[in-house]
Amino acid sequence: GQQLNQSPQSMFIQEGEDVSMNCTSSSIFNTWLWYKQDPGEGPVLLIALYKAGELTSNGRLTAQFGITRKDSFLNISASIPSDVGIYFCAGHSPGADKLIFGTGTRLQVFP
Amino acid sequence: NAGVTQTPKFRILKIGQSMTLQCAQDMNHNYMYWYRQDPGMGLKLIYYSVGAGITDKGEVPNGYNVSRSTTEDFPLRLELAAPSQTSVYFCASSNPYREITETQYFGPGTRLLVL
Repeated sequence: GQQLNQSPQSMFIQEGEDVSMNCTSSSIFNTWLWYKQDPGEGPVLLIALYKAGELTSNGRLTAQFGITRKDSFLNISASIPSDVGIYFCAGHSPGADKLIFGTGTRLQVFP
Repeated sequence: NAGVTQTPKFRILKIGQSMTLQCAQDMNHNYMYWYRQDPGMGLKLIYYSVGAGITDKGEVPNGYNVSRSTTEDFPLRLELAAPSQTSVYFCASSNPYREITETQYFGPGTRLLVL
């Protein structure tokens, strides 16, 4: 089945650092979504992207829909301890009625 | 709105037992989904439903059954629990006809341990 590859798989950073992660697909997507999963909780939507080249921010988070429509990026600026969790990308390919989820990037922030 | 609710939060089953994981949403969403998340892994789709009375298999449906008699509820049934079904189960819902695109809203999860 179709897969989304996320990188890196995990990150260990110090509080205050910026974070970048990405998600790639072998085929084009119509939408890209970024979710965060806190430990012991369900995923929560952070940012939704609807067209190629779109750049959207949500507080310290910024995500971009890649021009090729095969990738997306999420940046977190000035990380804080509550940024800890697993970040999932997800997307819709044309004509598909199901979201495809990435494998997740696990973020750990040290004070 | 309570959003998506799941019960129970945690359950231990013996091999061969059966149980139903409950999921309900009060957002009048047409689409509902069941995912499983194994330790350190991403989400895998088990079953989904695009409306009452309609269900379809996802990526990993074996060992599970679902029904969708109402818009609000989407229970997941395990008939003969196996250790391989130890996982965290997430229910989600969405309404692609109301929003530009489908954004799924997740419940808090049910942690299942099969021994």
